[in-house]
Amino acid sequence: GAVVSQHPSWVICKSGTSVKIECRSLDFQATTMFWYRQFPKQSLMLMATSNEGSKATYEQGVEKDKFLINHASLTLSTLTVTSAHPEDSSFYICSARDSLAGLRYEQYFGPGTRLTVT
Amino acid sequence: KNQVEQSPQSLIILEGKNCTLQCNYTVSPFSNLRWYKQDTGRGPVSLTIMTFSENTKSNGRYTATLDADTKQSSLHITASQLSDSASYICVATNQGGKLIFGQGTELSVKP
Repeated sequence: GAVVSQHPSWVICKSGTSVKIECRSLDFQATTMFWYRQFPKQSLMLMATSNEGSKATYEQGVEKDKFLINHASLTLSTLTVTSAHPEDSSFYICSARDSLAGLRYEQYFGPGTRLTVT
Repeated sequence: KNQVEQSPQSLIILEGKNCTLQCNYTVSPFSNLRWYKQDTGRGPVSLTIMTFSENTKSNGRYTATLDADTKQSSLHITASQLSDSASYICVATNQGGKLIFGQGTELSVKP
């Protein structure tokens, strides 16, 4: 089956520093990737949609200058949390849409990255 | 407004018992309905996906139903196991490919 990986699986950083999270589709090409944030006991919240080779589309209320997204290839998207603050601590999950999935819009989720900002 | 509501919010059952989780959605135009299992600290894993023309879909001990007329779906788990303890998320997709997530049902299976 389709596999999406994320790296790192968890990271602790100091307030004010930047953190990069990678999302890779391992056995399929993903023209579109998605970044979600999930707080404890809550469902996934879409942060942004990234399309290979173009700028990401951010959801309302998500600061694009704080959450930098790069989708440089059909198998890799990165999310950089810049000048991280403790309130950015969360579980970040990416998903990738199989370019060949057609109208089923099949998305495969990564295992998530736990970010803790101290 | 596109919305997905799940019930119950949480559920505790004994190992070996069956249970049914409910999902109501108001998503238009509707494309498909998915159920995901999310273990604590992990990403969601797809269980079933159904288009409006499909009434039921099974995946092992998981059986999902869909009534596109009433905009309701259910996920039935048979002969529950301890490893079924997780959050189960109902997700409706519109025809633009946007996923609308429910809040999830937290299932706890006790020995």
